[in-house]
Amino acid sequence: TQLLEQSPQFLSIQEGENLTVYCNSSSVFSSLQWYRQEPGEGPVLLVTVVTGGEVKKLKRLTFQFGDARKDSSLHITAAQPGDTGLYLCAGPNAGNNRKLIWGLGTSLAVNP
Amino acid sequence: DTEVTQTPKHLVMGMTNKKSLKCEQHMGHRAMYWYKQKAKKPPELMFVYSYEKLSINESVPSRFSPECPNSSLLNLHLHALQPEDSALYLCASSQDLSGGENNEQFFGPGTRLTVL
Repeated sequence: TQLLEQSPQFLSIQEGENLTVYCNSSSVFSSLQWYRQEPGEGPVLLVTVVTGGEVKKLKRLTFQFGDARKDSSLHITAAQPGDTGLYLCAGPNAGNNRKLIWGLGTSLAVNP
Repeated sequence: DTEVTQTPKHLVMGMTNKKSLKCEQHMGHRAMYWYKQKAKKPPELMFVYSYEKLSINESVPSRFSPECPNSSLLNLHLHALQPEDSALYLCASSQDLSGGENNEQFFGPGTRLTVL
């Protein structure tokens, strides 16, 4: 059974700090997606990583896909209150790529 | 247009009511999804449509009935729901189901459903 484990589960930091959240699995994924979700809203796709070792940047957010395609990280530089939200990673089920396997999320609070 | 829209935003219904949730996308996507999400949990897949045909039904109770009238629209018909069905219902779409970035899912804002 493929699982995605996210850590930490909760993170509360001050504006301007840096942080990293992790999405780990013992299984290989063909790709991984990162979403941010605000309360009462749908998840917003941030990035898809496909190639092992790939690094993608989205302004202050840096996403990395592990060389073995079993893990990914999201690093935020100089966090802003607007970065507050639930960060979810998801990847296609190897047995049925029509389904996504989801991590449980990292709930981030950035305090002014 | 990269938006998925959902109506209504909020819905309160009794256990004997019949209501429908609506979802629309104009990105030319050929796969559409319904998810249910409880607080502080990831979305749970309910149904997947591919090219307007039901591709996946995740053993969802028959009180939830999906419908895909055309490639841009997805409905979820609700009847005789239970209070435990209260949740955020999310619609999503993707280019298709062929894999890689074509499976990237774009979500609507959701319908907050409360069953009394």
